[in-house]
Amino acid sequence: EAEVAQSPRYKITEKSQAVAFWCDPISGHATLYWYRQILGQGPELLVQFQDESVVDDSQLPKDRFSAERLKGVDSTLKIQPAELGDSAMYLCASSLAGTGGPYEQYFGPGTRLTVT
Amino acid sequence: RKEVEQDPGPFNVPEGATVAFNCTYSNSASQSFFWYRQDCRKEPKLLMSVYSSGNEDGRFTAQLNRASQYISLLIRDSKLSDSATYLCVVNRRAGNMLTFGGGTRLMVKP
Repeated sequence: EAEVAQSPRYKITEKSQAVAFWCDPISGHATLYWYRQILGQGPELLVQFQDESVVDDSQLPKDRFSAERLKGVDSTLKIQPAELGDSAMYLCASSLAGTGGPYEQYFGPGTRLTVT
Repeated sequence: RKEVEQDPGPFNVPEGATVAFNCTYSNSASQSFFWYRQDCRKEPKLLMSVYSSGNEDGRFTAQLNRASQYISLLIRDSKLSDSATYLCVVNRRAGNMLTFGGGTRLMVKP
């Protein structure tokens, strides 16, 4: 069964450092999502891509977070500089796109970030 | 007020019990509704979609009340393996953009 791949699975970084996460969606999925999940809460959408274009990044803290999906396949989420409050699970998901939706979102295993 | 609200629990129930979770959503324009399951330290996975007419999948029954903006999930004959967090999810507008509730934690005990 095809899966969403994410790396690294765990990351510990000091505050003010830069950190990057990578996601490879299921082949053929045009839509890619990045979520942040703080312990004890539900996932919160940070950014949604349709192919290489950003559909929604209204909840992305743009002063420190950036996301790209240059070739419309895999994606990178970066935080610079990291803050203590950024400690969370960062989940990537993908889905089909087009008319006939909504389509199920498939999640990767996540990257657990700890900022010290 | 959060867009999607759930009782965080935990709900502690014995094996074989019937348990129900509720969820309310604030955006009346929401178009589609789901329950996701999330095991501890794992990613969320779709459990079932929720239709206006109500739908059932084995021991699981989901109901939607659009007038009251209320969604429910009923689990019959609880199993130990049902222990997880159940996330109420709303697609708030066209474009496959999901809003998650905070989740309800279920613990099924022998």
